Amino acid sequence: QKEVEQNSGPLSVPEGAIASLNCTYSDRGSQSFFWYRQYSGKSPELIMFIYSNGDKEDGRFTAQLNKASQYVSLLIRDSQPSDSATYLCAVRQSGTASKLTFGTGTRLQVTL
Amino acid sequence: DGGITQSPKYLFRKEGQNVTLSCEQNLNHDAMYWYRQDPGQGLRLIYYSQIVNDFQKGDIAEGYSVSREKKESFPLTVTSAQKNPTAFYLCASSTTGGFDSPLHFGNGTRLTVT
Repeated sequence: QKEVEQNSGPLSVPEGAIASLNCTYSDRGSQSFFWYRQYSGKSPELIMFIYSNGDKEDGRFTAQLNKASQYVSLLIRDSQPSDSATYLCAVRQSGTASKLTFGTGTRLQVTL
Repeated sequence: DGGITQSPKYLFRKEGQNVTLSCEQNLNHDAMYWYRQDPGQGLRLIYYSQIVNDFQKGDIAEGYSVSREKKESFPLTVTSAQKNPTAFYLCASSTTGGFDSPLHFGNGTRLTVT
């Protein structure tokens, strides 16, 4: 079992719709969870992070965390073509100092 | 402006040669990291350092070496022992104060070995 799992996609959503990106993790003691966006050929950019159960909103983005189910998701409201990218989920596992473990990413395509 | 600078952006080497990738940060971060990304794969940790003159192996350290002589700098050497060195290399930094500190990435170096 991979430590951090994401569906590779592509996930295709029409412009203006809600995109839902999911991530599961294996270490129940994981402390914090990060979402990065990566455009093709570029480096990852931080979107937001979450460490408490529930929802956290930042503009059009909402991160949702359910530690009991070991599940974290990212919702993108009013999706735009500029949101088309690969979204990486990263987890700070217990006892791993400051490093992050990344999933393989989900490719999102927002269609006109 | 504060940030992380990786150089060069593209690097080409012949098989059997060692090559050093540069990473410099002016964010005053204590921790620095090297990740590797291959097509269709996530980021895999090569080495990381939480303090000057100390570093730890990540998940795929074989064939790589690092040094951390200064807080601002964390160069990565890809040695001839690395079997598949062609990849996108990403350097990152973070504070070490809390579990909620994110990693900030440089623009990456794309290494091609033929």
